[in-house]
Amino acid sequence: ETGVTQTPRHLVMGMTNKKSLKCEQHLGHNAMYWYKQSAKKPLELMFVYNFKEQTENNSVPSRFSPECPNSSHLFLHLHTLQPEDSALYLCASSQPGGSRTDTQYFGPGTRLTVL
Amino acid sequence: GENVEQHPSTLSVQEGDSAVIKCTYSDSASNYFPWYKQELGKRPQLIIDIRSNVGEKKDQRIAVTLNKTAKHFSLHITETQPEDSAVYFCAARAGKSTFGDGTTLTVKP
Repeated sequence: ETGVTQTPRHLVMGMTNKKSLKCEQHLGHNAMYWYKQSAKKPLELMFVYNFKEQTENNSVPSRFSPECPNSSHLFLHLHTLQPEDSALYLCASSQPGGSRTDTQYFGPGTRLTVL
Repeated sequence: GENVEQHPSTLSVQEGDSAVIKCTYSDSASNYFPWYKQELGKRPQLIIDIRSNVGEKKDQRIAVTLNKTAKHFSLHITETQPEDSAVYFCAARAGKSTFGDGTTLTVKP
């Protein structure tokens, strides 16, 4: 349960605020992911990083800005969000090429509310 | 790209009955099919997976079957228990994983 951690667990922000979500994995993985989970779309992939390089951006609005300084840490910087961005943001990691390639280990998520 | 469809979206069974959730995929290059369980308020967790060179895999009350020709795979839960109640997600990997929209399973005591 502590392999992938996320902070904060809950966040309430106004539309003009700037905040950041943090994800850290202690599994030695080289791939990290951001997902958005809402009633509208249960698991929506946002970004993928492999070996610190962004390999996928699923047409995510620029008000979401990811950052991956190393293979263990992943951030999601938020600015000028909209109320419809309220959701659970899940981080995940995996080990490409391992025996369970692409098995993803999820963090507990950050529940974001945009007022 | 890959497209994964999952059915049904909700499933309610009586305790002790079996539950079956089915997923279809579009990309014949997909070679890895995991299933995740997400209990209310918790993170998704892998419960079973299968690779394209295997037709069936079983782990206690949970089994997964794969039909590569028809491009579908299914999750089977036997002797369901109330603690099996959760949202179940399938995924198919062809380079990257694409998830189904989830099935909310309710097991009534």
